Amino acid sequence: AQKVTQAQTEISVVEKEDVTLDCVYETRDTTYYLFWYKQPPSGELVFLIRRNSFDEQNEISGRYSWNFQKSTSSFNFTITASQVVDSAVYFCASLPPNAGGTSYGKLTFGQGTILTVHP
Amino acid sequence: GAVVSQHPSWVICKSGTSVKIECRSLDFQATTMFWYRQFPKQSLMLMATSNEGSKATYEQGVEKDKFLINHASLTLSTLTVTSAHPEDSSFYICSARDGRSWEQYFGPGTRLTVT
Repeated sequence: AQKVTQAQTEISVVEKEDVTLDCVYETRDTTYYLFWYKQPPSGELVFLIRRNSFDEQNEISGRYSWNFQKSTSSFNFTITASQVVDSAVYFCASLPPNAGGTSYGKLTFGQGTILTVHP
Repeated sequence: GAVVSQHPSWVICKSGTSVKIECRSLDFQATTMFWYRQFPKQSLMLMATSNEGSKATYEQGVEKDKFLINHASLTLSTLTVTSAHPEDSSFYICSARDGRSWEQYFGPGTRLTVT
């Protein structure tokens, strides 16, 4: 079984500050996927990124960047120069490989981090 | 990109009645669909997995007689909350997995309020 922990329940920052959301995962699978989703007040989940366990390269997409470190089982998400529109709940999630079994296709979500960006 | 719709987006019903929520994949065939429930300020909890043409697999603690899931076609899965009670009030989200690409896409969610 997989487990995802987002220790930060709530984070509050002022606009233009950088903010890092932590994610720690546990899995016995040798291959897996990791995700980040954004859930704005409307409730709809917005896909941000998927990372294959074989790919430890950091990724940058505009103001977003992700740091994947297998050695510490972490997949942290940084927003640079935060904006009010970044206010949302952010979920980290893991997915076992498409290899069948009872966990087939099941995403395991962390508890979520509520990010509030003040103007 | 692939689109998953849910209908209705919100519903208010009286205690004791049943409510059906539809989840549709609009531009791909979904061999598997997942149903989640999310209470306020909490994470998504997987309720069940449905595969087209077969019975749904429920997670531990989820009452299958209360939450009826039907996945009759490759583009439609329905969740029926039977004899709803106020404690069933929640945000229900479905996701659909594309049978060819294995990608999973989420619907916009349905907010259920039972009075």
